[in-house]
Amino acid sequence: SYDLTQPPSVSVSPGQIASITCSGDKLGNKYVCWYQQKPGQSPVLVIYQDNKRPSGIPERFSGSNSGNTATLTISGTQAMDEADYYCQAWDSDTAVFGGGTKLTVL
Amino acid sequence: EVQLMESGGGLVKPGGSLRLSCAASGFTFSSYSMNWVRQAPGKGLEWVSCISSSGQYIYYADSMKGRFTISRDNAKNSMYLQMNSLRAEDTAVYYCARGPEGSGLNYFDPWGQGTLVTVSS
Repeated sequence: SYDLTQPPSVSVSPGQIASITCSGDKLGNKYVCWYQQKPGQSPVLVIYQDNKRPSGIPERFSGSNSGNTATLTISGTQAMDEADYYCQAWDSDTAVFGGGTKLTVL
Repeated sequence: EVQLMESGGGLVKPGGSLRLSCAASGFTFSSYSMNWVRQAPGKGLEWVSCISSSGQYIYYADSMKGRFTISRDNAKNSMYLQMNSLRAEDTAVYYCARGPEGSGLNYFDPWGQGTLVTVSS
């Protein structure tokens, strides 16, 4: 089965850049999505097809994907961005999620 | 406004069955693929199943094959998940999530509020 690996936690100071990685074999050959989930809420799509932002998602969210690693970048991180973030890709008609990264804004 | 509303969750004994429903509104339901994704308490997201817009194409996670059945009724703007032979490890919040138009396998957007399934004796 295909695995996506994320760091369990990332910390960032307000206003700084937060980077969350997602690693998988030849991940750059697949489309990657990212979801934000705040406590007690449903996940929200923040990036799709590697680097596209759905309407309503702030410009400070961006994504990239190359080689074996996809990265979600949050520029000018705000306190409201504190949440769990999950990457997701498809492999052999199966959707795979990363284990999730808890972003803490200190 | 696009809305997805799950129902049918509850407490069920190991080995039992449950049928979840997802009612959609605010978009042309018959044009979009649909998915079930679950989240065990305190754990990450786990994809369960996908059904294409027409229902022609269906996909399952390996651990759900043979026990879960996804279906949809485009006339009722609804999707379903029949879950049989339930195990304690199936305890989770089950979300329905819209996929892209047609039969593509892509992103999930939006998600419903989820329905909790608890498998316990």
